[in-house]
Amino acid sequence: AQSVTQLDSHVSVSEGTPVLLRCNYSSSYSPSLFWYVQHPNKGLQLLLKYTSAATLVKGINGFEAEFKKSETSFHLTKPSAHMSDAAEYFCVVSETGGSYIPTFGRGTSLIVHP
Amino acid sequence: EPEVTQTPSHQVTQMGQEVILRCVPISNHLYFYWYRQILGQKVEFLVSFYNNEISEKSEIFDDQFSVERPDGSNFTLKIRSTKLEDSAMYFCASSTTGGTYGYTFGSGTRLTVV
Repeated sequence: AQSVTQLDSHVSVSEGTPVLLRCNYSSSYSPSLFWYVQHPNKGLQLLLKYTSAATLVKGINGFEAEFKKSETSFHLTKPSAHMSDAAEYFCVVSETGGSYIPTFGRGTSLIVHP
Repeated sequence: EPEVTQTPSHQVTQMGQEVILRCVPISNHLYFYWYRQILGQKVEFLVSFYNNEISEKSEIFDDQFSVERPDGSNFTLKIRSTKLEDSAMYFCASSTTGGTYGYTFGSGTRLTVV
């Protein structure tokens, strides 16, 4: 079985400061991990994905995430927040060899202050 | 970049009516999914579809729901007799190899049952 926990429901940062959105996962198989972003009244856009290649994954808009198997984590980071980053972020896990059904975390709302 | 297209973007329907939500997955994708997101809640899996049949479904996907791939391009979700609690954003997604390389989501259909 697979599950994903996003540790913060809301994260508030100032523009220009670093962003850290935390995600822990549980998986019986080799996981594939994804971060999606949802801007207000928009669909889900893939930010980045980990699929058992490099553990440090770079995505769009300056975001990156590091897969840490020992910590079962896949935290999303960005060195400098921009106002346009304000959105809902979802960590998603699926299992290679198990259920391919992607399971969503509850989401983290990123608030960016001027 | 290829997109998953969902129509309509908004639908208002009366309780008890049937609705059909439509999706056009990416043309070379083989796996199709429906998810829903009730306002303020997490994104929930409804059903997956592969090789012209349901491969997995959640407890939410009861007898009032059905899916169909009526031709080579469309993938539909039918809700037979809508209830107030069916009001949600419904997302369609598709993937190539069961999601190892990511899932592409549509922009969603916001269904409001009155």
